[in-house]
Amino acid sequence: RKEVEQDPGPFNVPEGATVAFNCTYSNSASQSFFWYRQDCRKEPKLLMSVYSSGNEDGRFTAQLNRASQYISLLIRDSKLSDSATYLCVAWSLYNQGGKLIFGQGTELSVKP
Amino acid sequence: DGGITQSPKYLFRKEGQNVTLSCEQNLNHDAMYWYRQDPGQGLRLIYYSQIVNDFQKGDIAEGYSVSREKKESFPLTVTSAQKNPTAFYLCASQSRLRDRAETQYFGPGTRLLVL
Repeated sequence: RKEVEQDPGPFNVPEGATVAFNCTYSNSASQSFFWYRQDCRKEPKLLMSVYSSGNEDGRFTAQLNRASQYISLLIRDSKLSDSATYLCVAWSLYNQGGKLIFGQGTELSVKP
Repeated sequence: DGGITQSPKYLFRKEGQNVTLSCEQNLNHDAMYWYRQDPGQGLRLIYYSQIVNDFQKGDIAEGYSVSREKKESFPLTVTSAQKNPTAFYLCASQSRLRDRAETQYFGPGTRLLVL
């Protein structure tokens, strides 16, 4: 089982739709979580950090359920520019340091 | 501008050849990382370094080597022992490895192709 698993996707939604991505993690010691956005053939860029139960930034809401080891990302009023791959990431202590574990990503395509 | 630079953007490797990918950061970050990304897959950790002159193997270190002689530089060598090197290589840095509040910042990546 992968340490971080995401919905396989792709998600194809019309402009203005609300879309939710799900992510589960297996390491109960994971301390912090992030959602990154990656455009085609580009580097990942941080979208949101999730440290406690959740975080909201405009149209984007991330929620964390530690008991279920589950993280979600909700995008409201989807824009064409939201089309990208969304990476769920968990941070855990590792070898006296920290390590990010990446999910495989969920692709979103927003259509006019 | 502060950031992470990687070069070259595209790199072609011949069979049996070693190639080196450059990564430089001027963010004064202590920790640096190398990841590999294959199509439709997440990032996999190759090597990471917490401080100068120290580095650790990640999950897929075989066939790769690194050095960390300067804080701002963390080059990755893809050796001939890496039998399937075609991938998108991403370098990242982070200010404090143990600080959960810090995230990683990525360079623009290098695409390595085998001729």
